[in-house]
Amino acid sequence: AQSVTQLGSHVSVSEGALVLLRCNYSSSVPPYLFWYVQYPNQGLQLLLKYTSAATLVKGINGFEAEFKKSETSFHLTKPSAHMSDAAEYFCAVSDLNDMRFGAGTRLTVKP
Amino acid sequence: GAVVSQHPSRVICKSGTSVKIECRSLDFQATTMFWYRQFPKQSLMLMATSNEGSKATYEQGVEKDKFLINHASLTLSTLTVTSAHPEDSSFYICSATTDSGTVQETQYFGPGTRLLVL
Repeated sequence: AQSVTQLGSHVSVSEGALVLLRCNYSSSVPPYLFWYVQYPNQGLQLLLKYTSAATLVKGINGFEAEFKKSETSFHLTKPSAHMSDAAEYFCAVSDLNDMRFGAGTRLTVKP
Repeated sequence: GAVVSQHPSRVICKSGTSVKIECRSLDFQATTMFWYRQFPKQSLMLMATSNEGSKATYEQGVEKDKFLINHASLTLSTLTVTSAHPEDSSFYICSATTDSGTVQETQYFGPGTRLLVL
């Protein structure tokens, strides 16, 4: 069975600073990996997904993530944080049948 | 982009009553819909996978008789929480996919329904 660990339940950055949200996964088969963003009282929106093609995946809103098999990681980055990036971010992993979400990381952006 | 709606967005009910939550794909036909549950400050947990015209597939530990799922059309799936109790209070989110219906395909999420059982 697969699982996801998001390191840091809360990350705070200044506006314009680098955003780094960490995600490590465990999977017995080559995984599909996802990052979702959730704004307060809303559903989830897909930021990006990895499906065994390019290891560096670019998503919406300037986010990207790199799949590193040797480190079993799929960290999410953005070069310059914007106030509108403040939200909850979820990493997810799936095999053929199931999708598991990480516990989430709340990103706060300080002016 | 594809839009998924949920109704109601918030519901408060008395213990012992049943509550129905609707999930609709507004501008596409959803071959498969997924139902998730999210506890406060926690992640999402997949409850069941719903395919149009067939019985839902429930995750281990999810009571199918308590959480009734009906996927009557390619644009509508409903989740009915029967005989709700306070421990059923949660944020319920649905998602829909247009492709193969597997979790790997892009899932479009609804805005969620917050259920409070008194």
